Amino acid sequence: TQLLEQSPQFLSIQEGENLTVYCNSSSVFSSLQWYRQEPGEGPVLLVTVVTGGEVKKLKRLTFQFGDARKDSSLHITAAQPGDTGLYLCAGVKGGGSNYKLTFGKGTLLTVNP
Amino acid sequence: GAGVSQSPSNKVTEKGKDVELRCDPISGHTALYWYRQSLGQGLEFLIYFQGNSAPDKSGLPSDRFSAERTGGSVSTLTIQRTQQEDSAVYLCASSLVGPGRGNTIYFGEGSWLTVV
Repeated sequence: TQLLEQSPQFLSIQEGENLTVYCNSSSVFSSLQWYRQEPGEGPVLLVTVVTGGEVKKLKRLTFQFGDARKDSSLHITAAQPGDTGLYLCAGVKGGGSNYKLTFGKGTLLTVNP
Repeated sequence: GAGVSQSPSNKVTEKGKDVELRCDPISGHTALYWYRQSLGQGLEFLIYFQGNSAPDKSGLPSDRFSAERTGGSVSTLTIQRTQQEDSAVYLCASSLVGPGRGNTIYFGEGSWLTVV
């Protein structure tokens, strides 16, 4: 059973379109992170959301943490080819030796020129 | 170094052979993590080190997998008697202090292991 479900798994759109990807769970997390991974590279942290209902913006990217801290969404406005990559969400539980960072399987986004 | 460095970047090995994967974390980072990324499976946690000790080894898939960290810096992930299902990208990451929600984890580019 996957703790974090991401949807859609694959998304191919044209430059300039808007899109939303989702990260859902039945578990409550203390915070949730979004990463972007490009081919041949490791994931790079985009944002951490902590408070239920929190919205963070990073240029054309808008991240929202669900009120119950179980789910999150990433909305990209006017997508560009440079946004192409694997978007991973990761839920954080605990701290210290009990720290757990659990990743979803990701959404593979392709933005066509 | 400027980032997390992993070697080798690519490794092809025969089934049954042992392999060692190396990770050089960002200088000064006390915490080090190993993850495995298989096609379509996302990132799977393997082990995390705080200094030289590993508080959490729960993610190691079997006793063929082991890891160590020396001098609070370099870490080695060893896979003995490799199997085809071990084929994956092995990602190392580090963070300045112990894991916590305010702490940024930096990933290396990974070691791509293929067992034939």
